[in-house]
Amino acid sequence: ETGVTQTPRHLVMGMTNKKSLKCEQHLGHNAMYWYKQSAKKPLELMFVYSLEERVENNSVPSRFSPECPNSSHLFLHLHTLQPEDSALYLCASSQAGYGYTFGSGTRLTVV
Amino acid sequence: KNEVEQSPQNLTAQEGEFITINCSYSVGISALHWLQQHPGGGIVSLFMLSSGKKKHGRLIATINIQEKHSSLHITASHPRDSAVYICAVTLGAQKLVFGQGTRLTINP
Repeated sequence: ETGVTQTPRHLVMGMTNKKSLKCEQHLGHNAMYWYKQSAKKPLELMFVYSLEERVENNSVPSRFSPECPNSSHLFLHLHTLQPEDSALYLCASSQAGYGYTFGSGTRLTVV
Repeated sequence: KNEVEQSPQNLTAQEGEFITINCSYSVGISALHWLQQHPGGGIVSLFMLSSGKKKHGRLIATINIQEKHSSLHITASHPRDSAVYICAVTLGAQKLVFGQGTRLTINP
């Protein structure tokens, strides 16, 4: 365990479903991130939350909706996804001046 | 062209060999990270450096800020070192930009 916990580890959902990914850290970090890793592509930043405020939304479609209710928890709400959204979704946290801690990821398959 | 380029993309070596993975970047950075990703997806941060050299066990990371280049070395490589190694740079306060990764396979 890295200190950043993601659930579920695997998720299969239909295009009409609504689901949520959860990320939790108790490292005292003040920033949390969602990254997407598609096959054969570099990791892409999706969202950054710093002190519970969204500071970056990297041109992500509105079918992905992040939520950061407190500094320890981050959610990614999913609705009406497309098959090309199938990927590994990674959560990370950081504290300014220090490195990043990543979760184990949620492998999402959209059918 | 990606802002972070790694080479090689794939590397296969025999146990015990000295391994070098290279990373070049084209923008000003505040820090460079080396990450390790095992099958299953979880990522572990190996190093964060902004100058010079860091060592942890059999792993050594160096960075040359003037040349915008970093290397990750593994001494006495072992099959358990097999993973994808990712170089990433920090732009500004909180944006990480990633290289495509180097898939390393160490055969016994």
